[in-house]
Amino acid sequence: DAGVTQSPTHLIKTRGQQVTLRCSPKSGHDTVSWYQQALGQGPQFIFQYYEEEERQRGNFPDRFSGHQFPNYSSELNVNALLLGDSALYLCASSLAGRGDYNEQFFGPGTRLTVL
Amino acid sequence: RKEVEQDPGPFNVPEGATVAFNCTYSNSASQSFFWYRQDCRKEPKLLMSVYSSGNEDGRFTAQLNRASQYISLLIRDSKLSDSATYLCVVNMRQAGTALIFGKGTTLSVSS
Repeated sequence: DAGVTQSPTHLIKTRGQQVTLRCSPKSGHDTVSWYQQALGQGPQFIFQYYEEEERQRGNFPDRFSGHQFPNYSSELNVNALLLGDSALYLCASSLAGRGDYNEQFFGPGTRLTVL
Repeated sequence: RKEVEQDPGPFNVPEGATVAFNCTYSNSASQSFFWYRQDCRKEPKLLMSVYSSGNEDGRFTAQLNRASQYISLLIRDSKLSDSATYLCVVNMRQAGTALIFGKGTTLSVSS
């Protein structure tokens, strides 16, 4: 049973460019959340997708957008990249409706470097 | 004030030591609580959920004090393989299922 997968593993971009990161959730999961983890910090919630819609959003600008497909996979898009967007981007999947202690399973992340 | 605050690290301990991590959260509406473990350059993985009654899993014991908004993790008989960053995590019902992470505390266990 494959866990959460993300692609690419690493990415180098320059300021002003756009990037798309991809995530496939764990088999049977229908909810995908995205987090940004800067060096030395804990992950920060970006947004969550369920039933192909953005259900929740953290404190991130509109440059960060996403999408969920009918097969539950998801993309994170970042426009007009800034140096400060350099981070590890983590995707987490879960199954909706499991209550407060619903475990989120994380993928290995995409390490984005903006030069 | 940050929503989730943890002890500053790193903690450097010998094998066999007992080590305790503390965490406070600022929002009394926080509903569920977790400790995640993150190895260097890897993804976070759930170590334990933390319940009001406290819970234990082998060498690991987690406690929650809602009145003080305080969570703890105790590791007994530390192993080299326990070396990692430990992340305190809370979830608030009004925030849906978004997880709010602390900065993490790094543990290094040496022989």
